[in-house]
Amino acid sequence: AQSVTQLGSHVSVSEGALVLLRCNYSSSVPPYLFWYVQYPNQGLQLLLKYTTGATLVKGINGFEAEFKKSETSFHLTKPSAHMSDAAEYFCAVSDLANAGGTSYGKLTFGQGTILTVHP
Amino acid sequence: DSGVTQTPKHLITATGQRVTLRCSPRSGDLSVYWYQQSLDQGLQFLIQYYNGEERAKGNILERFSAQQFPDLHSELNLSSLELGDSALYFCASRATGHETQYFGPGTRLLVL
Repeated sequence: AQSVTQLGSHVSVSEGALVLLRCNYSSSVPPYLFWYVQYPNQGLQLLLKYTTGATLVKGINGFEAEFKKSETSFHLTKPSAHMSDAAEYFCAVSDLANAGGTSYGKLTFGQGTILTVHP
Repeated sequence: DSGVTQTPKHLITATGQRVTLRCSPRSGDLSVYWYQQSLDQGLQFLIQYYNGEERAKGNILERFSAQQFPDLHSELNLSSLELGDSALYFCASRATGHETQYFGPGTRLLVL
């Protein structure tokens, strides 16, 4: 079974400050990890993903995340917050251990972290 | 725009009723996933279809069912609705050989 824990349901930062959203996972197979963002009244948009290879992955809007197997973590960071970053962020793990085929690939999500950015 | 479409955007109905939510995946994507987002349960996987066949089931109630048609669109049927079924229902699609699921805008269901 897979699980995801996001530490902190609410994170508040000032504009220009570092954003750090924490995610820890549990998986019995090599994990595929994702961060999605949800703006109010919208669907989920992929920010970035880790499958294999380089453990530091860069995504859209200046976000990046580092896969640390020893810590079972995949924390999301952004050096300088912008007002437009205010949204809810979800970390997710997939059971799709092999790219391709008809593998299941369902996503298990964390509880979400609401990011507030103050002027 | 993810390329995944869902209709309707909003649905208001009464307890005991039955509704159908529709999803059209991105062109060429054979896998369709349904998720439920509620305040108390968060985002939960319901069911997956691949090229018309059910592939995986999650926390889906017996009152709920789904299917995927030959043109690859999918429908989620919710029956004997209860107040607790009020939630946002997302559909996502994934291309074979790729890891990313692309989400539709969701259908917001309110059961009164």
